Amino acid sequence: AQKVTQAQTEISVVEKEDVTLDCVYETRDTTYYLFWYKQPPSGELVFLIRRNSFDEQNEISGRYSWNFQKSTSSFNFTITASQVVDSAVYFCALSEVSATGANNLFFGTGTRLTVIP
Amino acid sequence: KAGVTQTPRYLIKTRGQQVTLSCSPISGHRSVSWYQQTPGQGLQFLFEYFSETQRNKGNFPGRFSGRQFSNSRSEMNVSTLELGDSALYLCASTSTLMNTEAFFGQGTRLTVV
Repeated sequence: AQKVTQAQTEISVVEKEDVTLDCVYETRDTTYYLFWYKQPPSGELVFLIRRNSFDEQNEISGRYSWNFQKSTSSFNFTITASQVVDSAVYFCALSEVSATGANNLFFGTGTRLTVIP
Repeated sequence: KAGVTQTPRYLIKTRGQQVTLSCSPISGHRSVSWYQQTPGQGLQFLFEYFSETQRNKGNFPGRFSGRQFSNSRSEMNVSTLELGDSALYLCASTSTLMNTEAFFGQGTRLTVV
């Protein structure tokens, strides 16, 4: 069975601080995909990153970086020099490869990040 | 390129009624998935449609159903509404490639009174 755990329910940081959002996943598959999404108050989920299970390279995109470690089943997300616009709920998600080609995401419970000016 | 469009944005219904929500995916995307988001249960997968066929289904009662049209637009229907069906319903559009990123609409917020 698959599971995604985001143990941090809420985090508050002061603007310009760095913050790391944790994500731990469980899956029996050897091939799977991990995602991070951002949900601002408007409601839609905004795609941030997709990573497949064979690619453990860390990735950096501007102020965002992701650390994927298969050994600990973690896919953590760091925001450097946080800004007020980063305030949102962030979701980590897992997708397994299906024989039917079906796509569905298993989401964690989300981490609400508040950046205080 | 237009994003995923969900209509209506807000709905208020009475217990026992039924409701239909609509989703227009990104042009060229043939996979449409539906998710329910509630404070208690979080984001849960409802079902996925690809080329007018339901390809995968989550663990929801039969009151929840959907369909997809030849133009990839999708509708989901909830019959005999219950108070617990109050939620944000999100539609996601995905290309034909497997396990690629899903693009979400702004959702329909359904309130059952």
